[in-house]
Amino acid sequence: KNEVEQSPQNLTAQEGEFITINCSYSVGISALHWLQQHPGGGIVSLFMLSSGKKKHGRLIATINIQEKHSSLHITASHPRDSAVYICAVSTGVTGAQKLVFGQGTRLTINP
Amino acid sequence: DTGVSQDPRHKITKRGQNVTFRCDPISEHNRLYWYRQTLGQGPEFLTYFQNEAQLEKSRLLSDRFSAERPKGSFSTLEIQRTEQGDSAMYLCASSARSGRDSPLHFGNGTRLTVT
Repeated sequence: KNEVEQSPQNLTAQEGEFITINCSYSVGISALHWLQQHPGGGIVSLFMLSSGKKKHGRLIATINIQEKHSSLHITASHPRDSAVYICAVSTGVTGAQKLVFGQGTRLTINP
Repeated sequence: DTGVSQDPRHKITKRGQNVTFRCDPISEHNRLYWYRQTLGQGPEFLTYFQNEAQLEKSRLLSDRFSAERPKGSFSTLEIQRTEQGDSAMYLCASSARSGRDSPLHFGNGTRLTVT
């Protein structure tokens, strides 16, 4: 069993739909990251959180430390949101951001 | 802030050859990380530097792999005697030395194909 599990692995939706991607982890963490990866490889950090909830534009990330679970929500989805979304956790005790990654969720938003 | 730069973007090499990749982090970032990503998988940690010191190496990093950050700025990752299983995207990331609240900034990666 992977230390970081995401679901679903693939998600296709229509423009405008509310999207939820889930992440569960089994190790102790100092922070959880949501990342976005477009074709070609570049990875962009969307959120880094260790408790509660963060919002940036149409994106919302929540984390429940007790349940070891996080969700990424996208409201009013748009075709440009199509990408791979990756959940990763920081396990470094020194504060270093040594990340353990989930396998990613491939999101496709159709117009 | 010009972002994290990696060179080359793509590298095709024959099995048995040596390859070297370069990463230039964001200038004020003292932490630098190398990750490897194979097709359809999430990235895997390879190694981490704080300034010029290599503080941690994954067991994934076999003896054929070596990474350096000689002056605490850019870093190189060398793979000797490449094998087909080394084909992957090699990602570099950097972060500032501000404890646990500093997000990672990723480069666009170097895609290695070993034929």
